[in-house]
Amino acid sequence: QKEVEQNSGPLSVPEGAIASLNCTYSDRGSQSFFWYRQYSGKSPELIMFIYSNGDKEDGRFTAQLNKASQYVSLLIRDSQPSDSATYLCAVNPLTGTASKLTFGTGTRLQVTL
Amino acid sequence: DAGITQSPRYKITETGRQVTLMCHQTWSHSYMFWYRQDLGHGLRLIYYSAAADITDKGEVPDGYVVSRSKTENFPLTLESATRSQTSVYFCASSTQTNTGELFFGEGSRLTVL
Repeated sequence: QKEVEQNSGPLSVPEGAIASLNCTYSDRGSQSFFWYRQYSGKSPELIMFIYSNGDKEDGRFTAQLNKASQYVSLLIRDSQPSDSATYLCAVNPLTGTASKLTFGTGTRLQVTL
Repeated sequence: DAGITQSPRYKITETGRQVTLMCHQTWSHSYMFWYRQDLGHGLRLIYYSAAADITDKGEVPDGYVVSRSKTENFPLTLESATRSQTSVYFCASSTQTNTGELFFGEGSRLTVL
């Protein structure tokens, strides 16, 4: 059983629209949550992290966490073609170490002109 | 500022051969990690190290060996490569206090024939 689930996509959105990426996790005790972006053929890079229930905004990106429902989402406003990438959700059941970080398989986002 | 570098970037080898993938970071981060990324599985942790001379197994350690004699280097050795070890390998590092903010190298694509 996968611990972190994501729809593989592709999720296709027109330029300027809001892209909504979702992730569910199985470990109710998970402490911290991360969104990584990975361009094709490149390495992942962190774009957002969230620890508490609610929303966290950073520029065009908003991370949303609902621990009761065990899901975390990433909203990308005013989507641009440069946002086309695979977005990896990662969940950590611990604090203080990344050794138990579990990644989802990623959702591929395509932003169309 | 080189950050974290991996070598070789591409490697083709044969079944049964020994292969070493190198990882070097210039940030003096405490933690270093080796992940493999395969289609349908996402990123899976092979081994990690909390400091020099301290290493521990991750989710998929079988067939791999690591060492960390210096803080900046964390080589990964496949002692007898198998076709199932064909993958993209990512080295990553993090500071001691970060719970999931990983800095990834460019990746090493390994093909075992």
